[in-house]
Formats: sequence, structure tokens, C-alpha cells
Amino acid sequence: EVQLVESGGALVQPGGSLRLSCAASGFTVSDNYMSWVRQAPGKGLEWVSVIYSGGSTYYTDSVKGRFTISRHNFKNTLYLQMNSLRPEDTAVYYCATGAANDYWGQGTQVTVSS
Amino acid sequence: DIQMTQSPSSLSASVGDRITITCRASQGISNYLAWFQQKPGKAPKSLIYAASNLQSGVPSKFSGSGSGTDFTLSISSLQPEDFATYYCQQYKSYPRTFGQGTKVEIK
Repeated sequence: EVQLVESGGALVQPGGSLRLSCAASGFTVSDNYMSWVRQAPGKGLEWVSVIYSGGSTYYTDSVKGRFTISRHNFKNTLYLQMNSLRPEDTAVYYCATGAANDYWGQGTQVTVSS
Repeated sequence: DIQMTQSPSSLSASVGDRITITCRASQGISNYLAWFQQKPGKAPKSLIYAASNLQSGVPSKFSGSGSGTDFTLSISSLQPEDFATYYCQQYKSYPRTFGQGTKVEIK
């Protein structure tokens, strides 16, 4: 059974950093297309980033240069390193797998506020 | 960027009704279109991929169609557990983009 469990969300001040984790089971992260999607309070879904099995990565414009997606093959875990955080980054962050986002984790809350 | 526009933004329906939600892409995306269901406080759940393919375990009351720029999600015989917000998403090009969502409420 595919399972994704996010962690690492927290309250952080503007300009701060945070690393989100997404622990996977039931499949191999490094063999799959893995994404981060976020949802600001009361808003819709926003795609953030993706990493391909071959290692290629893509980002939405608003996070380019600030966020980095990566994975740890041995730990079967996906990460999102978030630097220079802004209040507008406040959201629930979900990880998902599959080209069509077939499976999702339960999400982790990131709040950027002073 | 490809813009995804859903209509309506919200709708009220009764248990047992059949409803249809439309998703329009600002440019052709072939069949690279997925549909998701989200209930309050929960993660999205994938319903359909490649415009018309049902995810494993999703009941056949859900169906999707379309290609190019115009797509639909239909739900037959609405039940209380189907009242939720539905999103479409294109995965033809980057950045991936979602529709703004359609909230389905009980009449």
C-alpha cells in the first residue's frame, strides 16, 4: 500500500528556513515522479515543485531560487528545503507521487509570521 | 502558463442528482488532465487521470471526458459523501496548474 507522511511544518519568521520531509512506503521514491503541492488558507491548490526519477527538477516561479526539492534514496524520503520564507508561503504542504498526482500525503502546516 | 478554468465555482445539488463540472484549458493539453476531490481539512484524493481513466478504487459513478481544451467531470447519483470541492489539474507542461475548484454543496 502506498503511503506518504509529511513532517517538518512549523511556525517560522519571515526570512527563515524550514525543511519538509515526506516519508514514503509501499513504493520507491527514487523510481517515481514526486511533487510538492501547497494550499494557502481558504485557497485552492498550487503546484510547487517536482523531481523526476532521473533527478531533473522543476519549480513554480514564486519559489525558484528559494526552495530546493531533493530525495534520500536509502531513507526513501522526499524533501523540500525552504529558504528566505515569506508570509505568502504560509500553507499546508502536501507531497504527492505519480505524474497525475495519484497518491497524496496528509499534509504539513507551514506558517510564516512574525 | 496554461490557465485552467472550472465552472461553476460552486453548485447546490440534492442527494441522488447527477452533476457535471467543466474544466477549460487556455491551450491544448491533449488528455493530460486529472481530477481530484477534497473534503474540508483533508488531503486531495485522485479520482481520474488522463482525462477519463478512473483511479483504482474510485466508484464508477465518477466519470471524466474530454480532450484538447475542454473537459468534464460527471458524478451520478450524488451521495452525502460526495459533497466536497473538486479540482482539475493539467500535467501537460510546467508549471502544473490547477483549476480554482468547484464546491459541491447540499441543496
